[in-house]
Amino acid sequence: NAGVTQTPKFRVLKTGQSMTLLCAQDMNHEYMYWYRQDPGMGLRLIHYSVGEGTTAKGEVPDGYNVSRLKKQNFLLGLESAAPSQTSVYFCASKGSDQRASAGYTFGSGTRLTVV
Amino acid sequence: QQQVKQSPQSLIVQKGGISIINCAYENTAFDYFPWYQQFPGKGPALLIAIRPDVSEKKEGRFTISFNKSAKQFSLHIMDSQPGDSATYFCAASQGRNSGNTPLVFGKGTRLSVIA
Repeated sequence: NAGVTQTPKFRVLKTGQSMTLLCAQDMNHEYMYWYRQDPGMGLRLIHYSVGEGTTAKGEVPDGYNVSRLKKQNFLLGLESAAPSQTSVYFCASKGSDQRASAGYTFGSGTRLTVV
Repeated sequence: QQQVKQSPQSLIVQKGGISIINCAYENTAFDYFPWYQQFPGKGPALLIAIRPDVSEKKEGRFTISFNKSAKQFSLHIMDSQPGDSATYFCAASQGRNSGNTPLVFGKGTRLSVIA
């Protein structure tokens, strides 16, 4: 099915380890976003991209890096994982030719635990 | 500073009753107000959205009421059903014609509809 695919779905990391979360969309969307979801905190924007080769910081960017080398992929990297980065990470996308009212398409999330 | 404040944090409603979730915002530049629905283990999905040029929008059992002067908007779920049990997020963004301003989300409301 067309949509947003996140890889992996689950991961356990040790403090200090690094990893990359992959987000892939097959809808030819221009805009892509990374959010983290924590209990009682809602969805908070980490980084986003308005097109291939562009990235921008969101509300909580510290400790994360991103890359958008290909239009369909948006990678989120943790260089040195910390327990505070234990969270569920959601990727979302939106087409630039859509009205804002069309909404975001979200992936099913990556549950990351840092021990 | 929380840009979108959502209440209540949790809500229990009898089957057939009305569920009401409220949100308030500070940024008067916001001009797009969607509600997202999230089931356990899934990503959020757009439920309904409104722009400030109307005071109410209805889609089936779901209605958004918007009060521009009070900077508040709310979601009403009529004839609530057990299948409506989910977490609901309000959100806001600005840029009526651009559509690429990232959404800012409230902290979420966990709704439980009991028979």
